[in-house]
Amino acid sequence: DGGITQSPKYLFRKEGQNVTLSCEQNLNHDAMYWYRQDPGQGLRLIYYSQIVNDFQKGDIAEGYSVSREKKESFPLTVTSAQKNPTAFYLCASSILGTGFYNEQFFGPGTRLTVL
Amino acid sequence: ILNVEQSPQSLHVQEGDSTNFTCSFPSSNFYALHWYRWETAKSPEALFVMTLNGDEKKKGRISATLNTKEGYSYLYIKGSQPEDSATYLCAFGAGSYQLTFGKGTKLSVIP
Repeated sequence: DGGITQSPKYLFRKEGQNVTLSCEQNLNHDAMYWYRQDPGQGLRLIYYSQIVNDFQKGDIAEGYSVSREKKESFPLTVTSAQKNPTAFYLCASSILGTGFYNEQFFGPGTRLTVL
Repeated sequence: ILNVEQSPQSLHVQEGDSTNFTCSFPSSNFYALHWYRWETAKSPEALFVMTLNGDEKKKGRISATLNTKEGYSYLYIKGSQPEDSATYLCAFGAGSYQLTFGKGTKLSVIP
């Protein structure tokens, strides 16, 4: 089955620690995205990548880093510089095309809690 | 940052009722409007991607319309069923690869 996997589903970390969230897709999509959801807010874009070895900052990139070494994988690192990292994180992918014209396919999400 | 508004924030309807909700977005620099359905404990799933003013799309009992000149889209659900209970998200594309999402409308269908 094609799809997007995110692991783990729940993640707990101590304040000041970096943590990496996994996102893998086998849809052969070129574009991948990371979103953050907070209570009462819409999904906010953290980073996106259109091709391997290239990525761009979204609206709330501060305190986060990403890599795109393989087409299938787009891990997100939440660094200690992120002031309020506790949130629900969603990964998505789409065919590249003209970006916004293409529906995005979402993973199941990771809920990160920083203690 | 673009402003995408969805209303109402939440609503409860009886099974069998029809309902609709609104997504408002900037009327300038429009490229696309997406609708997603997000059921509890599942991943958001795309319903529609709309690109042309006057677009109407339909999937089963769910349909959507688009008015890019005035900056709004309506999502209609005919004869709501309990399985329609979900949060419905709209997202606006304005010329980059980014989508700006609204906060969603949470629909609860009461059997």
